[in-house]
Amino acid sequence: YVLTQPPSVSVAPGKTATITCGGNNIRSKSVHWFQQRPGQAPVLVIYYNGARPSGIPERFSGSNSGNTATLTISRVEAGDEADYYCQVWDTGSDHYVFGSGTTVTVL
Amino acid sequence: QVTLRESGPALAKPTQTLTLTCTVSGFSLTTTGMCVSWIRQPPGKALEWLALIDWEDDKYYTTSLRNRLTISRDTSKNQVVLTMTNVDPADTATYYCAREGTNRQVLDVWGQGTVVTISS
Repeated sequence: YVLTQPPSVSVAPGKTATITCGGNNIRSKSVHWFQQRPGQAPVLVIYYNGARPSGIPERFSGSNSGNTATLTISRVEAGDEADYYCQVWDTGSDHYVFGSGTTVTVL
Repeated sequence: QVTLRESGPALAKPTQTLTLTCTVSGFSLTTTGMCVSWIRQPPGKALEWLALIDWEDDKYYTTSLRNRLTISRDTSKNQVVLTMTNVDPADTATYYCAREGTNRQVLDVWGQGTVVTISS
């Protein structure tokens, strides 16, 4: 199972960043999103398509429909600059699968 | 507080066997639903899942490395161990362990990672 993400997204401060994650019938899976700042371990920011762990700002939201899952970051801040990865559990192979990652640059 | 901490050699030579240890605290490896995975990230590249061990000691491996990986646990020490045989410079990466807890299929807590370089 393959998850496809755009390599990069650029966004101005205060605007909205949209990061997509494409996969065959991905709507049938639960999608999770991780933020990874340079030199740091990944941090879970969205799970089960749209749930937020405690401590994650409401500016982070997620959705999943058809063949595309989406992570949306509203009112982008400089601190949101990071790599973002989507991830699913593929029941067909009993594997975790990660997307290729998207670098978010705050202009 | 749930924590995971990776440890292992910073440097290994090609063809050697690499052994990495993940020491966990704040949860039990035998509690129903608890799983620990190993994930790696080569420099400048994406995350790659390697292996998982669950609360019943069932094990799962990525297909591409199945023949080289072994995941095991020592519940008395709260440790999960990953061994990788016949390492190659392409195995140079930061290796992370992460927990899957009460939320199924969610890697909710990660260790800080350990950097491993494969070089002669």
